[in-house]
Amino acid sequence: DVKVTQSSRYLVKRTGEKVFLECVQDMDHENMFWYRQDPGLGLRLIYFSYDVKMKEKGDIPEGYSVSREKKERFSLILESASTNQTSMYLCASSLSGARGSSYEQYFGPGTRLTVT
Amino acid sequence: QKEVEQNSGPLSVPEGAIASLNCTYSDRGSQSFFWYRQYSGKSPELIMFIYSNGDKEDGRFTAQLNKASQYVSLLIRDSQPSDSATYLCAVMPSGGYQKVTFGTGTKLQVIP
Repeated sequence: DVKVTQSSRYLVKRTGEKVFLECVQDMDHENMFWYRQDPGLGLRLIYFSYDVKMKEKGDIPEGYSVSREKKERFSLILESASTNQTSMYLCASSLSGARGSSYEQYFGPGTRLTVT
Repeated sequence: QKEVEQNSGPLSVPEGAIASLNCTYSDRGSQSFFWYRQYSGKSPELIMFIYSNGDKEDGRFTAQLNKASQYVSLLIRDSQPSDSATYLCAVMPSGGYQKVTFGTGTKLQVIP
């Protein structure tokens, strides 16, 4: 059974703080993704990683960075949190196509971040 | 034009009826198509995926893909109140490198 966990369900931070969101998957998936979800805008991809230490920008990378030092862990970093980064953050993982995957993604429970 | 379009709803159906959810996409070379269910306050949960033209059935759910017309649909037979949720369509475009693009979702309400 695929399991993706995220470090916090709810988080409240102040403007200008550095924020770390962590995601861990236990299914040996190569690909990991960070999305944010806002009403009316749907799921938007921030960054993804297809291998350890590899990362690619998604559609809205500004104000974010990521780190993937181990295969199972993918971290999202908000260098200086701002109020417009208040959102639901979702991590997902998927198996590589080279291993016969159909690229379906499995999501963690999400972190609702509020920046005040 | 949005890459993946869904009617936001809400779509209301009576209990026991068939719910039909539709999704259109713009990239003709898209390869794989996914349906996710998302309950309020929860994360998306994969229902099924399809990559060949035609129908794919899994229990009460049927996904239908028509690449020529660039649409994918999800039918839910014998709808239950527990099916009330937002349904997200996701498409992996050509050259997607394992990324997918999500629609904004259709909210389904099943009326008891």
